[in-house]
Amino acid sequence: ETGVTQSPTHLIKTRGQQVTLRCSSQSGHNTVSWYQQALGQGPQFIFQYYREEENGRGNFPPRFSGLQFPNYSSELNVNALELDDSALYLCASSLDRARNIQYFGAGTRLSVL
Amino acid sequence: GIQVEQSPPDLILQEGANSTLRCNFSDSVNNLQWFHQNPWGQLINLFYIPSGTKQNGRLSATTVATERYSLLYISSSQTTDSGVYFCAVMRNTGNQFYFGTGTSLTVIP
Repeated sequence: ETGVTQSPTHLIKTRGQQVTLRCSSQSGHNTVSWYQQALGQGPQFIFQYYREEENGRGNFPPRFSGLQFPNYSSELNVNALELDDSALYLCASSLDRARNIQYFGAGTRLSVL
Repeated sequence: GIQVEQSPPDLILQEGANSTLRCNFSDSVNNLQWFHQNPWGQLINLFYIPSGTKQNGRLSATTVATERYSLLYISSSQTTDSGVYFCAVMRNTGNQFYFGTGTSLTVIP
C-alpha cells in the first residue's frame, strides 16, 4: 500500500507567478486536505476535497484553488504568488469521514523570491 | 476558529526520561489527533483520540473533552522521539482541523 505522495519536493518561484502542487492520496482514500505550514508554526487548513467537490475551506483568498480527480489525486494551485506564500505545503488523505484520520505526505517546500 | 494552545513550547530531555505534553482547546470538539513531525517535515499520526485514553508502546494519550484538554505521555524517551508534536482538533460541526503551535522536543543521549 503506497502512502501519500507529493510533488515536487522543492520549488522556487518569483512573486506574481503561478504554481501547481500535486498530491496522490493513499490507496482507497477519497478525501484530501491541503495545509500551509509557515516556519515555526502549526499547519493551517486551506481546503478539503471529497469525491471531487470542495468540502470545506479555511481562511485563504480565492487565489488558492484546488482540484480533485476521479482517482482522488489532487492539485493545489496558487496564483499571483506573494512572498508570504513561502511555506511547506502539506497534503493529507483520509479514508473514513467519521474519524477523518489524517495521513500526511512529506510536503512541498515553496520559496517565493 | 478554535484556539489550540500547547505546552510547553520547548522541551529538552535526557534519553530515558518521561514527559507530558498538553493541548488545551477553546471549544467543543468531536475529533482530536496527535502528530509527530520529524526534522525532515514529515507528519506522522500518533493517535486519534476524541475522548478517553489510548496507549501505543511508549506513548499514551488522554483526552478529557468536557474539560477541553488532551495530554500526550512519552515514556523512556529515545533520540528518535525528537521533533515537534502537534495536536489538531475539529469542532462538532466542521470539516476543518485546527492545529496548535506545537511542542518542540529534543532528546539528548
